[in-house]
Amino acid sequence: QQQVKQSPQSLIVQKGGISIINCAYENTAFDYFPWYQQFPGKGPALLIAIRPDVSEKKEGRFTISFNKSAKQFSLHIMDSQPGDSATYFCAARGGASSASKIIFGSGTRLSIRP
Amino acid sequence: DAGVIQSPRHEVTEMGQEVTLRCKPISGHNSLFWYRQTMMRGLELLIYFNNNVPIDDSGMPEDRFSAKMPNASFSTLKIQPSEPRDSAVYFCASSLGVAGVHEQFFGPGTRLTVL
Repeated sequence: QQQVKQSPQSLIVQKGGISIINCAYENTAFDYFPWYQQFPGKGPALLIAIRPDVSEKKEGRFTISFNKSAKQFSLHIMDSQPGDSATYFCAARGGASSASKIIFGSGTRLSIRP
Repeated sequence: DAGVIQSPRHEVTEMGQEVTLRCKPISGHNSLFWYRQTMMRGLELLIYFNNNVPIDDSGMPEDRFSAKMPNASFSTLKIQPSEPRDSAVYFCASSLGVAGVHEQFFGPGTRLTVL
């Protein structure tokens, strides 16, 4: 119940295309769903996050779509650029405590072809 | 702000040796997390602290691993004795840890190689 399942494991998209990464969870107590972006040799960094009371959040070319009834959420990268090539992690945080840990998905390695 | 600081950045050691990884969280942050990243297992949470107190250490692989946070500005992760399967990148992260603020800021990581 504590897992966050992420797919695909790797993704290749042409420049200008749409990149889509999907995640699913079981624990309905999760109340915060961030996406982290990691470049080679660097630590992950927060990209965008959503709470379950909204169905979509958009920041520039990045959009999270959230389906609470299906317990699924996805990251869409519009007009994908070579600079978007990185590993993306979805995650979920559960519990009311501000010290609750974040559970990370297994990661998706995204490559944008020029 | 310097961000989360980790040292060393790279560590190569021989099996059986003691390894100590160090972390300085962002000033003012009261939650600190240690993660391990490998190709096979992805990003695993090992342990996290809130206000210097260990909250959840269920991710610590075995007794060879230990972590301490003696004060708000310093934490260590120790492996004794080290084994080749401990080779990984170890990340430290910190967060403000108050209601509504959840972003974790990751350090650059320590790449550990155990021969």
